[in-house]
Amino acid sequence: AQKITQTQPGMFVQEKEAVTLDCTYDTSDPSYGLFWYKQPSSGEMIFLIYQGSYDQQNATEGRYSLNFQKARKSANLVISASQLGDSAMYFCAMREPYSGNTPLVFGKGTRLSVIA
Amino acid sequence: EAQVTQNPRYLITVTGKKLTVTCSQNMNHEYMSWYRQDPGLGLRQIYYSMNVEVTDKGDVPEGYKVSRKEKRNFPLILESPSPNQTSLYFCASSLSPGQGGTEAFFGQGTRLTVV
Repeated sequence: AQKITQTQPGMFVQEKEAVTLDCTYDTSDPSYGLFWYKQPSSGEMIFLIYQGSYDQQNATEGRYSLNFQKARKSANLVISASQLGDSAMYFCAMREPYSGNTPLVFGKGTRLSVIA
Repeated sequence: EAQVTQNPRYLITVTGKKLTVTCSQNMNHEYMSWYRQDPGLGLRQIYYSMNVEVTDKGDVPEGYKVSRKEKRNFPLILESPSPNQTSLYFCASSLSPGQGGTEAFFGQGTRLTVV
C-alpha cells in the first residue's frame, strides 16, 4: 500500500496567490516525521519544512507552512504569495517510526507552475 | 559549508561496464542513503546505511551494491549496469532521528544513462 499519496500531478497558480499542495499518508506508528522537498528543473532536492507527529503547532518556514491534520492523516503544504521561482516539483515524504533509523518514503510529487 | 557531494554529475556508460558513483558528506551524519528517481515513480530508496559497516536494502536494491567503510563516504556500485538502471540518482544523509535529525541533505544528483 502506498504510504504517501500526492493526488495532484500538476497545479497552476497565479503569481502572488497562495497555493495548497495535498499530501496524505498512511501509518499505524504514533511517532513519525513528515517532510516537504522542492525539486527545481535543475534537479537538486531542497528541504522546505518538517512536521513531527507530536508537534502541537503547524510548522512554518517563511512563505511555507504545513497544514497538519493528524486525524485525517494529511500534511498539506501551503505556499503563500507564490513567486515565479516556486515553479518546481514538490515531494511529500515520511519517516516512520521516527525514533528509529528509518528511510524517507516519498510520494510521486506535484508539479507546480506559477503563472505571471 | 555543510554538503553532500556526489560524483559524477552526469555519466553515460555501456551495458556491463562496472561503475561507481561516489557520495561524501561533511556533517558527520550517521545515516546515509541512495535513491533513484524515475518519471512517474518518484524517489525510491535503493540502499541505506545507519552507520559504518551497517547497510541494508531499500525498496529497489537489485543490481546495486554499496559499502560504508567510513562515516563520510557511501559509494553506489553498479557491477554490471543495464539500460533499466538509466535514472537520476541521489545520495542523502542525515542525523539519526534520535539525534534530532529532522532534515535529510541531498547531493546534487547523478544522471546516469546506460546504453
